Amino acid sequence: GENVEQHPSTLSVQEGDSAVIKCTYSDSASNYFPWYKQELGKGPQLIIDIRSNVGEKKDQRIAVTLNKTAKHFSLHITETQPEDSAVYFCAASITPGGGADGLTFGKGTHLIIQP
Amino acid sequence: NAGVTQTPKFRVLKTGQSMTLLCAQDMNHEYMYWYRQDPGMGLRLIHYSVGEGTTAKGEVPDGYNVSRLKKQNFLLGLESAAPSQTSVYFCASSYSLAGGPLDEQYFGPGTRLTVT
Repeated sequence: GENVEQHPSTLSVQEGDSAVIKCTYSDSASNYFPWYKQELGKGPQLIIDIRSNVGEKKDQRIAVTLNKTAKHFSLHITETQPEDSAVYFCAASITPGGGADGLTFGKGTHLIIQP
Repeated sequence: NAGVTQTPKFRVLKTGQSMTLLCAQDMNHEYMYWYRQDPGMGLRLIHYSVGEGTTAKGEVPDGYNVSRLKKQNFLLGLESAAPSQTSVYFCASSYSLAGGPLDEQYFGPGTRLTVT
């Protein structure tokens, strides 16, 4: 099955700086890569996703890049703000939406924005 | 539109007791999932359903059973709880397998279960 590795497990950045979280996956058939943000005491919420037919996607301060050859993808947050503090999960799936096998998640990155 | 709701929010069980966690969604989604989240382990899929009346095993199904008698509800059962099942349980749903913006998985707020 799919295996997703996520690094780092904790990331502390100064407010206003950029943050980068990286993930690698093992199954070359995976073609859907979402990123979820989980705030304390809440369920994960999708913030951005990318499909295998594109290499980069942006949404305001958030961007995701995908390198299918190397089987890795990254989340980039620019101009970080205190409300960006949360746990971020990457995931991979063969089918959009998770499909038959759901999503395989990384172990999460605790992002801390220092004032 | 409440999205995905989970009942109960918290529960403490003794070893060997049984219980059922209820997940409900009002988005008419076909696919529903149960995950467990443990510290440092991310989310792991327990069981999932691709439609009313169907269920299938995920990555960590042992010790759990599920039922999807109605499209909007997905129940997770623990027949004989064990301390290893102490975890936070999340239910999620998605529209379908098709491509496009409707494939997002929506998560509930979670159920924190402690087995002593």
